[in-house]
Amino acid sequence: KAGVTQTPRYLIKTRGQQVTLSCSPISGHRSVSWYQQTPGQGLQFLFEYFSETQRNKGNFPGRFSGRQFSNSRSEMNVSTLELGDSALYLCASSLVGQLRTEAFFGQGTRLTVV
Amino acid sequence: DQQVKQNSPSLSVQEGRISILNCDYTNSMFDYFLWYKKYPAEGPTFLISISSIKDKNEDGRFTVFLNKSAKHLSLHIVPSQPGDSAVYFCAANSGYALNFGKGTSLLVTP
Repeated sequence: KAGVTQTPRYLIKTRGQQVTLSCSPISGHRSVSWYQQTPGQGLQFLFEYFSETQRNKGNFPGRFSGRQFSNSRSEMNVSTLELGDSALYLCASSLVGQLRTEAFFGQGTRLTVV
Repeated sequence: DQQVKQNSPSLSVQEGRISILNCDYTNSMFDYFLWYKKYPAEGPTFLISISSIKDKNEDGRFTVFLNKSAKHLSLHIVPSQPGDSAVYFCAANSGYALNFGKGTSLLVTP
């Protein structure tokens, strides 16, 4: 059974640009969540999608957005990139959402904004 | 506001001994807790979890203890092995998101 796949693994963007990251969950998993990991803040919840609907959102500005497709694949988009957006972006999938079940993480996308 | 805290950024333990990683939380509504292990440049790997209706859960060398009254949980690794060297994250499930601590870097020395 394939794990959670995130593409690309590494990305370098310039301030002001936008970026789209992709996540393919484990087959059969319908919930996809996104997290940002930075050295100062640790792992922080961005948003969660279930059956193409955003169910929950963390405390991030509107520049961060996402969507989920009918096959459960998800994308997240960051517009008007800032230097502080440099981070490891992690996607996690779970069967029905993070309700008393473990979430399985992908390897992440390392975004560097210059 | 950090609702899950891991107050020890690092821990060094000799191979074969017990490693104890601690975690405190502030939100009494949390009812499911997880531990993840993370190597550099990789995503976190699930290790073990515990529901708030239990006070202990064991899986091989890993045991998690939960003290609800103290809002404290700990992960015990016995015996510790060099391959256990990684960053360990404690997380609490708030129903729709995982709230992570900032991690404890464990180094197991031969």
